[in-house]
Amino acid sequence: QSALTQPASLSGSPGQSITISCSGMNNDDDAYNYVSWYQQYPGEVPKLLIFDVNHRPAAVSSRFVGSKSGNTASLTISGLQAEDEADYYCSSYIGSKRPPFVFGTGTKVTVL
Amino acid sequence: EVQLVQSGAEVRKPGESLRISCKGSGFAFTGYWITWVRQMPGKGLEWMGKIDPSDSYTQHSPSIRGHFTISVDKSNSTAYLQWSSLKASDTAVYYCARQSGETGMALDYWGQGTVVTVSS
Repeated sequence: QSALTQPASLSGSPGQSITISCSGMNNDDDAYNYVSWYQQYPGEVPKLLIFDVNHRPAAVSSRFVGSKSGNTASLTISGLQAEDEADYYCSSYIGSKRPPFVFGTGTKVTVL
Repeated sequence: EVQLVQSGAEVRKPGESLRISCKGSGFAFTGYWITWVRQMPGKGLEWMGKIDPSDSYTQHSPSIRGHFTISVDKSNSTAYLQWSSLKASDTAVYYCARQSGETGMALDYWGQGTVVTVSS
C-alpha cells in the first residue's frame, strides 16, 4: 500500500462541522479495506476513534462519524468543541497487501 | 483491564544496541497481534511492523525493514523491538499497540510509548 494523504491542517469554529479526508485508499474489489481513525493530543498516546470505516468504540462520542467512498475515507466531526483540537490519523489495513498496514499523513485540527 | 506497559526511556550512542519491551495484561496475549509504531519528533505515525505472538510470524514495513527486529516471549506476554546498531535517525517515540480482529484490525489499545534518543 502507498501512504495515505490527508490535509495538513483544518480549522473550524465551535459548533461547526469539519470533514477530514484520507485519499489513496485501495479500491479493488478483491481485498477488503479496514479503515480506522486515531486522535492524538500533543505528547499523548494515540486513541482509536473509528474502526472498520464507520464503527465507534463504546467510549467515543457520536460526534465522530467515519465514511468511505471510492478511494477516499473521511472523518466528520460535528458540533466542534475545544477538546477536539488534536492531530487525526487515518489508517488502512489490507491483509493481502505489502505493507498490510499504513497510516495517513495526519491532520492538525484547530478550533478557532 | 487491557494494558500494554512499555519499558522506560532510553538514551544511546550511534552504533549501540537496544531492546525495548511491551508487556500485555488483561487479555489473551496470543489471541492478538502486537504492532510497533514509530513517531519521529514532530512527525506523524509510521507503521513499523507486527508480530503474531501465537507463532512469532512477523511482517515489517518495507521502507524501514532490515534495521530492526520484532520478537516475542509469549510465556511472559511481552513483545520486543530491538536494534543491533542504532542511528541518530532512530530517535523517536515508539509505541506498541494491540491489533484486534474484534475492531476491524484496528489498533485498539496502545502502550504509553518509549522515548528513544540516539545521540553522540
